[in-house]
Amino acid sequence: DGGITQSPKYLFRKEGQNVTLSCEQNLNHDAMYWYRQDPGQGLRLIYYSQIVNDFQKGDIAEGYSVSREKKESFPLTVTSAQKNPTAFYLCASSPNRDRGVVWNQPQHFGDGTRLSIL
Amino acid sequence: GEDVEQSLFLSVREGDSSVINCTYTDSSSTYLYWYKQEPGAGLQLLTYIFSNMDMKQDQRLTVLLNKKDKHLSLRIADTQTGDSAIYFCAEKNNQGGKLIFGQGTELSVKP
Repeated sequence: DGGITQSPKYLFRKEGQNVTLSCEQNLNHDAMYWYRQDPGQGLRLIYYSQIVNDFQKGDIAEGYSVSREKKESFPLTVTSAQKNPTAFYLCASSPNRDRGVVWNQPQHFGDGTRLSIL
Repeated sequence: GEDVEQSLFLSVREGDSSVINCTYTDSSSTYLYWYKQEPGAGLQLLTYIFSNMDMKQDQRLTVLLNKKDKHLSLRIADTQTGDSAIYFCAEKNNQGGKLIFGQGTELSVKP
């Protein structure tokens, strides 16, 4: 079955450590997204990628980094510069980017990774 | 800038109808979406509506769009305890498919 897989489900970070969250999709979607969710604040966009080898900062990119070397994969690294990393992280993907035509592009989500500080 | 607003909580009795409201600011929005999030899980797409439509019905779900007032609502008929979750509305940004999400409405269904 096609879908989005995030791993691990739970992750713990020590002070000064970088950690990487995995996101893999087999939906053949061009675009992928990373969101951070905090209680009562909804979803905030960290980074997004419309195509392989290209990505853009979202609203809260500081302290995070991403790569998009393959269409299927969009890993997120939470660096030691992110001072408040405890949150629920959600990865999403959506089909074809705009090509001069307005497409319905619903985003499909993984089950999330909960990151906590040790 | 773009903004999407929702009330944070809604409580209903089992069997009643639930109406979750959402307002948005971007008049150029093309698609508007409703997502459901159960505890500890990702977001599940429930339904969507194109901006040139006023209403869309899908089984127990009815979406109403008032484009003049930039108001979107989701009505759930015959609400069940399994409908208890957080519901997010989102509008599609015209720049490359980005979605702008509301804060989410936590629906509590009491037996």
